[in-house]
Amino acid sequence: SQQGEEDPQALSIQEGENATMNCSYKTSINNLQWYRQNSGRGLVHLILIRSNEREKHSGRLRVTLDTSKKSSSLLITASRAADTASYFCATAAQGGSEKLVFGKGMKLTVNP
Amino acid sequence: SAVISQKPSRDICQRGTSLTIQCQVDSQVTMMFWYRQQPGQSLTLIATANQGSEATYESGFVIDKFPISRPNLTFSTLTVSNMSPEDSSIYLCSVRDSRSGANVLTFGAGSRLTVL
Repeated sequence: SQQGEEDPQALSIQEGENATMNCSYKTSINNLQWYRQNSGRGLVHLILIRSNEREKHSGRLRVTLDTSKKSSSLLITASRAADTASYFCATAAQGGSEKLVFGKGMKLTVNP
Repeated sequence: SAVISQKPSRDICQRGTSLTIQCQVDSQVTMMFWYRQQPGQSLTLIATANQGSEATYESGFVIDKFPISRPNLTFSTLTVSNMSPEDSSIYLCSVRDSRSGANVLTFGAGSRLTVL
């Protein structure tokens, strides 16, 4: 069953602005990942944060994890039109499960 | 990371027919994962395909409707049987990224099925 829930469901911003997406989940996790999907294509992995980490950076991406609140956020700084896509969080349950459970996704539109 | 080729990329099918989706990986992988993404929705895991054994199906998915083959470590097929309009979705295969040391997935580009 799905457990990741992103909010907002859709976000429209101007180029150069920052975009923040939030994800909540329900069960204990081993790690949480963020993926991007362009126009109904395959998903591309962006970043992974482990349950014992609180913050991680990768280029213009910053992800935080609060296991006490069972939530994560993805920040994209200095957004570009090419960042327009759907973004999904995915969780891997504790116990070493190979399965990822994806959230509903958030549609980001970056206007030039 | 692995490169995954999926085909067909899209198809329009008639109700009651079946369609087989192929997934080819450029390296040997133990497990392959098949996901469904209904219009405007998230991904739902259909089954995990292991080479040399029966696929493991998730709750709500059955072998008769979604038979899977896994003849070797680089190839798998998913068949959507006796299709109805509710089966209109993007079907994605994925494999674990072996470099990551974690369960990071690499996805194919997906197969977009429209059932009339």
